[in-house]
Amino acid sequence: DAGITQSPRHKVTETGTPVTLRCHQTENHRYMYWYRQDPGHGLRLIHYSYGVKDTDKGEVSDGYSVSRSKTEDFLLTLESATSSQTSVYFCAISDWTSGRGETQYFGPGTRLLVL
Amino acid sequence: GENVEQHPSTLSVQEGDSAVIKCTYSDSASNYFPWYKQELGKGPQLIIDIRSNVGEKKDQRIAVTLNKTAKHFSLHITETQPEDSAVYFCAASGSGGGADGLTFGKGTHLIIQP
Repeated sequence: DAGITQSPRHKVTETGTPVTLRCHQTENHRYMYWYRQDPGHGLRLIHYSYGVKDTDKGEVSDGYSVSRSKTEDFLLTLESATSSQTSVYFCAISDWTSGRGETQYFGPGTRLLVL
Repeated sequence: GENVEQHPSTLSVQEGDSAVIKCTYSDSASNYFPWYKQELGKGPQLIIDIRSNVGEKKDQRIAVTLNKTAKHFSLHITETQPEDSAVYFCAASGSGGGADGLTFGKGTHLIIQP
């Protein structure tokens, strides 16, 4: 998984509670991404980061916030979890300083269930 | 924004036969097209990619073709083996070149029949 870890790997929570997912990389890549995967939808971009403290929204950003205070860590927060946020969340990284900048490598995923 | 359509959603082939998965994209500025393989319970793994200045790329039993005029690209797997069974996703970079994320197709479940 290209030096990417995600924590927790599984989580069950209740509607209305805050949840934070963590993505940690050891590759020193500049770009990091959060996607969600749902049956029938493939993977959809939530937020991405192009450097420390530099983030932007993706296609499905409503209800999510992110933070990146260090190159190696990218946090995804659900401020008040809803059942529609039950999904599998994947982190990805890419290195635009190399000749293969577009290539994204994915972590193992976090399975989140909101009851 | 970019929109990627992928077909078929399920593909069943006999072991040893070839499999073809097709994708179309909408943004003519897209210039990078990766294919990912996802096994149950794991993250997507890049298997091959192609850039818009190339029409075809091969890597052993896997090949990808790109038709920029028609805005479609395809994954070809020859001499399929049981370990090829998985879900395959195509993606396109959009006008941002991929820096602002990839747009994925909805996936193809490839089943290799023994």
